[in-house]
Amino acid sequence: AQSVTQLDSQVPVFEEAPVELRCNYSSSVSVYLFWYVQYPNQGLQLLLKYLSGSTLVESINGFEAEFNKSQTSFHLRKPSVHISDTAEYFCAVTVSGGYQKVTFGTGTKLQVIP
Amino acid sequence: GAVVSQHPSRVICKSGTSVKIECRSLDFQATTMFWYRQFPKKSLMLMATSNEGSKATYEQGVEKDKFLINHASLTLSTLTVTSAHPEDSSFYICSARDTVGRANTGELFFGEGSRLTVL
Repeated sequence: AQSVTQLDSQVPVFEEAPVELRCNYSSSVSVYLFWYVQYPNQGLQLLLKYLSGSTLVESINGFEAEFNKSQTSFHLRKPSVHISDTAEYFCAVTVSGGYQKVTFGTGTKLQVIP
Repeated sequence: GAVVSQHPSRVICKSGTSVKIECRSLDFQATTMFWYRQFPKKSLMLMATSNEGSKATYEQGVEKDKFLINHASLTLSTLTVTSAHPEDSSFYICSARDTVGRANTGELFFGEGSRLTVL
């Protein structure tokens, strides 16, 4: 079975500062990895995903994540955050192929401070 | 991306009544949909996997007679909370995969969520 660990439940950061949200996973087989974002009282939206190929994946709003197989990590980064980035971020994993259920981490609340 | 619509977004009901939540895939067909429950400040808990034309698969600890799931078509799954009690109050979110119309990347498309409050 797969598992995901997000050690930081909350990450406060000042506006325009860089941020890293940590995600580590555990799996005995190859996986797909995802970051989802959730705004208050809404469902989840896909931010970015790693399926295969380049280990660095980027989103359209400036976030990036790097798949590190040796460290079993998929940390999310942004060089300069905005107030609008304040949200809950979930890391998720599923078995490669995409037909198994998705396992989510416990989430990290990113609080951007003006 | 694909669109999943969930309705109602908010519902308040009295204890003992039943509530139905609908989840629709608007622009794709979904043979499988997933129902999650989200507690305050906690992650998503997978409740069950809804399979079109067959019985849902429930996760351990989820009462199937309490949370009835029906997946009657490739675009609609419903979750009915029967005899609701205050402890059933939560945020329920459905999701689906487009495994028919496009290459399956494992990505889940989520509904907007339904906030259930049982008085």
